[in-house]
Amino acid sequence: EDQVTQSPEALRLQEGESSSLNCSYTVSGLRGLFWYRQDPGKGPEFLFTLYSAGEEKEKERLKATLTKKESFLHITAPKPEDSATYLCAVQAASGGYNKLIFGAGTRLAVHP
Amino acid sequence: DGGITQSPKYLFRKEGQNVTLSCEQNLNHDAMYWYRQDPGQGLRLIYYSQIVNDFQKGDIAEGYSVSREKKESFPLTVTSAQKNPTAFYLCASRTSGAYNEQFFGPGTRLTVL
Repeated sequence: EDQVTQSPEALRLQEGESSSLNCSYTVSGLRGLFWYRQDPGKGPEFLFTLYSAGEEKEKERLKATLTKKESFLHITAPKPEDSATYLCAVQAASGGYNKLIFGAGTRLAVHP
Repeated sequence: DGGITQSPKYLFRKEGQNVTLSCEQNLNHDAMYWYRQDPGQGLRLIYYSQIVNDFQKGDIAEGYSVSREKKESFPLTVTSAQKNPTAFYLCASRTSGAYNEQFFGPGTRLTVL
């Protein structure tokens, strides 16, 4: 069964304290892996798409990487405005082009 | 500005009532989706539509219905058959093509009284 697991469930950081969020997946044929940011009470905001192992994408303080089993979202010198829930989703070959399998998310809190 | 709008932002339903959630997009996207989000769980797919007048059940379609009469619109009806409808509902859309990401609307929070 295709599955996506995110860890940790929650993460508390001090401003400037770099860390990484993990998204591990077991799918039959990865077509793409997506990272989203979600603020409380709002819809997810698209961040990155990764397609193949070894690929990396960067945006401001965020960097996403992908291996054959997992993806990491690295946050460098975070600021309080980076506080949000970060969602990982996978598009698997078995699900066709329309199905994304979402993890439960990591709630990030960055304190001044 | 291009984007996805959902209305209302908050919706309250009495038991036994059907309610309809609106989703409109002006991104000229072909495919549209409805998800349900519950605390501590990943988003779950309710229905999706790849083209006008066609739609497919997702993983949790029971108690829900949809229509796709226009490319821009994909309303979701939560029927009285849905046993636990209280949740955050998200609409998304994407362009045609195999690997394109989905873009989400702001969501509707439905509460059953």
